[in-house]
Amino acid sequence: DARVTQTPRDKVTEMGQEVTMRCQPILGHNTVFWYRQTMMQGLELLAYFRNRAPLDDSGMPKDRFSAEMPDATLATLKIQPSEPRDSAVYFCASAMTETGRETQYFGPGTRLLVL
Amino acid sequence: AQKVTQAQTEISVVEKEDVTLDCVYETRDTTYYLFWYKQPPSGELVFLIRRNSFDEQNEISGRYSWNFQKSTSSFNFTITASQVVDSAVYFCALSDLRSSNTGKLIFGQGTTLQVKP
Repeated sequence: DARVTQTPRDKVTEMGQEVTMRCQPILGHNTVFWYRQTMMQGLELLAYFRNRAPLDDSGMPKDRFSAEMPDATLATLKIQPSEPRDSAVYFCASAMTETGRETQYFGPGTRLLVL
Repeated sequence: AQKVTQAQTEISVVEKEDVTLDCVYETRDTTYYLFWYKQPPSGELVFLIRRNSFDEQNEISGRYSWNFQKSTSSFNFTITASQVVDSAVYFCALSDLRSSNTGKLIFGQGTTLQVKP
């Protein structure tokens, strides 16, 4: 049963600290997405990669957020420095896409609390 | 503009009742995909169904069924004989030509379903 995995599941940190979230996409999937979920904004797309190349990160605050895919089995999302308004659940999703409309499968999320 | 509207914020039913979750979408494209995801209290997002715009056949999977009507731009989800384990937030999502070039799923705000014993 292939699944997207994310670590850590929960993270509590203090304002100003660096936060790194990791995602392992489903083996063979070529597209990885990062989403953020908050009560106010719902689910927002932050960034996405296809074949490890970043294709769109327009949803991401550039000054403090960065997303990378060091290899096909690992995607990372970093926040430096973190702020209380970054508190949210961060989801990674992966898909095997050709047309861009294939099903996205989500990981369990990282629940981030910035104090 | 692409948009997904789930007008029902919260629904509460008693176990064994049938319940329908509404989803209305907007898109200018003729080719698009519609999705439903379930988010149980544990927090993960679970894929339920994908439907493309050229397939208007209704889908049934066990107690779940989906009614796709292009004429009213709706993709409603019905749970028959609801169970407590169906309690979750349900999201409807759209992927069309414009959003799919960015890989973006356009999500509705979600409907929280509470099934009471």
